[in-house]
Amino acid sequence: SAVISQKPSRDICQRGTSLTIQCQVDSQVTMMFWYRQQPGQSLTLIATANQGSEATYESGFVIDKFPISRPNLTFSTLTVSNMSPEDSSIYLCSALDRAGNTIYFGEGSWLTVV
Amino acid sequence: GNSVTQMEGPVTLSEEAFLTINCTYTATGYPSLFWYVQYPGEGLQLLLKATKADDKGSNKGFEATYRKETTSFHLEKGSVQVSDSAVYFCALSKSNDYKLSFGAGTTVTVRA
Repeated sequence: SAVISQKPSRDICQRGTSLTIQCQVDSQVTMMFWYRQQPGQSLTLIATANQGSEATYESGFVIDKFPISRPNLTFSTLTVSNMSPEDSSIYLCSALDRAGNTIYFGEGSWLTVV
Repeated sequence: GNSVTQMEGPVTLSEEAFLTINCTYTATGYPSLFWYVQYPGEGLQLLLKATKADDKGSNKGFEATYRKETTSFHLEKGSVQVSDSAVYFCALSKSNDYKLSFGAGTTVTVRA
């Protein structure tokens, strides 16, 4: 199994600022992903975090708004840039274990933009 | 594309009642199917999974069987407890990219 830790767990952010969320996995994993869960909604995939190269973004998400880094096999960051109240969401990091069997999630970073 | 349709909630039950949450999917090929659970104030946890047709996933008294003929993966529990109160998400992923497509989620409340 994989244990995924995210920081911060919660934050209240000012409109127009940017915040970086960190994701640390306790073991080497193959793929890492970032999801967004808007209030009362389901989860939507933002992007796949690729080690050592640019992330692969899903339709509707762009690098300028959600820059992502993944410098090694166990760590990734997601930045939410120039935040607006519409960015108030839970942002979840997930990872595929090395066996390729199970996708684990972090506990999420609950962001509120005021 | 891939999609998951999940039974609308909210669902309210009494303790020891039988729970079923319907989930059907649309996908090409042979996706893997998952149920995730989100307890109040917590992140997402994998509840169970099935990776091929006729597989049955089970955990914590919950079960779901991968039915390719009906493209379904319904979640069942024979006797729910108050601690089962949570939001349940059905999801699928293609075997070659592991990107999850989620259903809308079903909120379940179990009353003592």
